[in-house]
Amino acid sequence: GAGVSQSPSNKVTEKGKDVELRCDPISGHTALYWYRQSLGQGLEFLIYFQGNSAPDKSGLPSDRFSAERTGGSVSTLTIQRTQQEDSAVYLCASSFFPNNEQFFGPGTRLTVL
Amino acid sequence: QKEVEQDPGPLSVPEGAIVSLNCTYSNSAFQYFMWYRQYSRKGPELLMYTYSSGNKEDGRFTAQVDKSSKYISLFIRDSQPSDSATYLCALLDNAGNMLTFGGGTRLMVKP
Repeated sequence: GAGVSQSPSNKVTEKGKDVELRCDPISGHTALYWYRQSLGQGLEFLIYFQGNSAPDKSGLPSDRFSAERTGGSVSTLTIQRTQQEDSAVYLCASSFFPNNEQFFGPGTRLTVL
Repeated sequence: QKEVEQDPGPLSVPEGAIVSLNCTYSNSAFQYFMWYRQYSRKGPELLMYTYSSGNKEDGRFTAQVDKSSKYISLFIRDSQPSDSATYLCALLDNAGNMLTFGGGTRLMVKP
């Protein structure tokens, strides 16, 4: 079956621009997670969605970052006024429900010039 | 001190060797343990998932958890050049909201 998909695979933007990253989770998975992977920081949690509950935004690094999940499926991570330190690989994962195995997508590599 | 410690390597072994990869953690709230393999410029691929102390085997891979020592291991038997990748341990607490990752160990298996 289809795994987690993410788009775009690569995104190059200029400092100050807004970007949107998309995640399509595995069909039927109720939990969706965003992580960020950078050279200096490793893999860090950003935000978590579970069903219709309010998302856990505790990992978002600043108020320039936001995410939404529509219809309990597709999610979009938005970064406003991008900065060079936002350059990283943004990974999405989904699981059937919390405490289950999390399956990752291929990631979006974001480069802010 | 990080919540999850993992030797970054690189770990270089000859083909056919048994590989041992390890993580230590400090928070006893972690109850679920996963190992991921990540090839360069790819997303992490789930290898093993365990939630109790002891061993779990899947093909050439064995995951071992010792909750009393807060120590987890992944063993790879008969290692192959295709096993060359970065291996990440990832831990989950009962709230299940997020994985806490080790920094990853880079493994190189030489033919």
